[in-house]
Amino acid sequence: GENVEQHPSTLSVQEGDSAVIKCTYSDSASNYFPWYKQELGKGPQLIIDIRSNVGEKKDQRIAVTLNKTAKHFSLHITETQPEDSAVYFCAAENQAGTALIFGKGTTLSVSS
Amino acid sequence: EAQVTQNPRYLITVTGKKLTVTCSQNMNHEYMSWYRQDPGLGLRQIYYSMNVEVTDKGDVPEGYKVSRKEKRNFPLILESPSPNQTSLYFCASKQSSGANVLTFGAGSRLTVL
Repeated sequence: GENVEQHPSTLSVQEGDSAVIKCTYSDSASNYFPWYKQELGKGPQLIIDIRSNVGEKKDQRIAVTLNKTAKHFSLHITETQPEDSAVYFCAAENQAGTALIFGKGTTLSVSS
Repeated sequence: EAQVTQNPRYLITVTGKKLTVTCSQNMNHEYMSWYRQDPGLGLRQIYYSMNVEVTDKGDVPEGYKVSRKEKRNFPLILESPSPNQTSLYFCASKQSSGANVLTFGAGSRLTVL
């Protein structure tokens, strides 16, 4: 079945710097790759997603890139702000569309 | 407001005492699922349901039961909880098994003593 590896597990940046989180997946049949942000005491919230027919997608300060050949995808946050501090999860949807397989998460800390 | 609602949000119980965590969505979604989140392990799927009366096991179903008698509700049942079921539980839903965007509830933190 699908396996998703996520790195790094923790990331500390200064306000205004960029942050990059990387994930790899194992099942080449996966076609959907969402990123979730989880703030303390809350459920994961979708921040951006990408499908396998697209190589890059941007939404203001957030971008995701996908390399299907290498089976990896990355989250890029530019001009980080303290409110970006949270746990970020990458995921890959299984081929049947019945489950998201999550990475173990990255705790991002943005200091001002 | 479109949302997934879980109850209780926090629960402390003892080994062997049956409990149910309720989940309700108001988006008329066909698909619903339960995940558990543990430190260093991310989120793992327990059970999912593609529609009313259709449920199936996820990656970690041992010790859990579910039912889907109505479209909006998908309760998680722990018949005889054990300490290794101490975890943070999330219910989630999406339009259908073919759709992608999964919406999560706020979570239920369960402690089994």
